[in-house]
Amino acid sequence: DIQMTQSPASLSASLGETVTIECRASEDIYNGLAWYQQKPGKSPQLLIYNANSLHTGVPSRFSGSGSGTQYSLKINSLQSEDVASYFCQQYYDYPYTFGAGTKLELK
Amino acid sequence: EVKLVESGGGLVQPGRSLKLSCAASGFSFNDYWMGWVRQAPGKGLEWIGEINQDSSTINYTPSLKDKFTISRDNAQNTLYLQMSKLGSEDTAIYYCAREVSYIYVGYFDYWGQGVMVTVSS
Repeated sequence: DIQMTQSPASLSASLGETVTIECRASEDIYNGLAWYQQKPGKSPQLLIYNANSLHTGVPSRFSGSGSGTQYSLKINSLQSEDVASYFCQQYYDYPYTFGAGTKLELK
Repeated sequence: EVKLVESGGGLVQPGRSLKLSCAASGFSFNDYWMGWVRQAPGKGLEWIGEINQDSSTINYTPSLKDKFTISRDNAQNTLYLQMSKLGSEDTAIYYCAREVSYIYVGYFDYWGQGVMVTVSS
């Protein structure tokens, strides 16, 4: 199985700040990566697919980048509604696997 | 509006079986792959498996392949997850999700609200 190592596990940031979350795959996943946001008590919501494509309706302050085994999610100008957990998922190979998640809180 | 509504969860005794349903609306159900993902309390996400449009291809995570069965009824716009030999490790919120799937691609663009399954005596 492809292991997805996500960092940091938790993150505290101020409103307006830029935050970056990283995901490292145990082997090359050729941009087969999605990012999801999960607010407390809610289901996950797709943010980014194919490593850098923004899902419909997702604010442009979210962006994804990376290649090979290293990927990142960047949130520009952090808003209060961005408080959530974030998960990466690789879908290059079966079984699909997720990162352990990053919990983002406001400072 | 895409809507996915899971049902059938609850408290079940160890070793027993349970079948979850996911009612889909707001899109052409038989045009999409569908999948199941679960989340143990306070934990991360675990992919269970997926099914293609005509049920000819079903993939599972290896550790659950002999316990769980995914099926669908396109006439009823419903996805199913049959779970057997349940143990405490299966206690989780179970989500159904619509999948965008083609070669080397399989991400979930819409998710249901989830249904809780608790395995306990």
